[in-house]
Amino acid sequence: SQTIHQWPATLVQPVGSPLSLECTVEGTSNPNLYWYRQAAGRGLQLLFYSVGIGQISSEVPQNLSASRPQDRQFILSSKKLLLSDSGFYLCALLKAGGPLDTQYFGPGTRLTVL
Amino acid sequence: AQTVTQSQPEMSVQEAETVTLSCTYDTSESDYYLFWYKQPPSRQMILVIRQEAYKQQNATENRFSVNFQKAAKSFSLKISDSQLGDAAMYFCAYRTSGTYKYIFGTGTRLKVLA
Repeated sequence: SQTIHQWPATLVQPVGSPLSLECTVEGTSNPNLYWYRQAAGRGLQLLFYSVGIGQISSEVPQNLSASRPQDRQFILSSKKLLLSDSGFYLCALLKAGGPLDTQYFGPGTRLTVL
Repeated sequence: AQTVTQSQPEMSVQEAETVTLSCTYDTSESDYYLFWYKQPPSRQMILVIRQEAYKQQNATENRFSVNFQKAAKSFSLKISDSQLGDAAMYFCAYRTSGTYKYIFGTGTRLKVLA
């Protein structure tokens, strides 16, 4: 079965600093990958999704970007963090077709911007 | 655009009792999927149950079942014989068939009272 790894698990960064969050996937190939943000007490906001290497769709224009350099790697980045970037970031995968046609989530990264 | 609405920010249920969480959605599509996810205090998102829109039969998974009313665009989750471990945030989600974008509701926090 597929496994999603995210690191770091927790991160505290100053305003204006860069960001790099990594998501890697095991046990599947050619997945669709997603980045979500969950702000305190709120639902999941879709940030980016990717259907393949180098293919990124952005859902929310902001100071974040995403890249997919390898089939099973999805990276969320920022050049300069804002206070509003604080939240819980979740990576997810979708393996379309058959019994796995459901989205699965990683353990998440808690980001605090001070 | 599709939307998902969870109108109950918080619900409580006595242990061993039954509780129903509400979800309504808006879409002009005829083929889609609906999901309920559970997010316990660990923040790990766990798929509880899914429903294909073309299926008239309501999905069930052990103590969890749904009441899918396609005409009314309603998708409620019923938890029977509630257990302390059911305490979590529950999210309703939608995805149009053939697309990769998920839309989540804002969640319902379920408290289970001993």
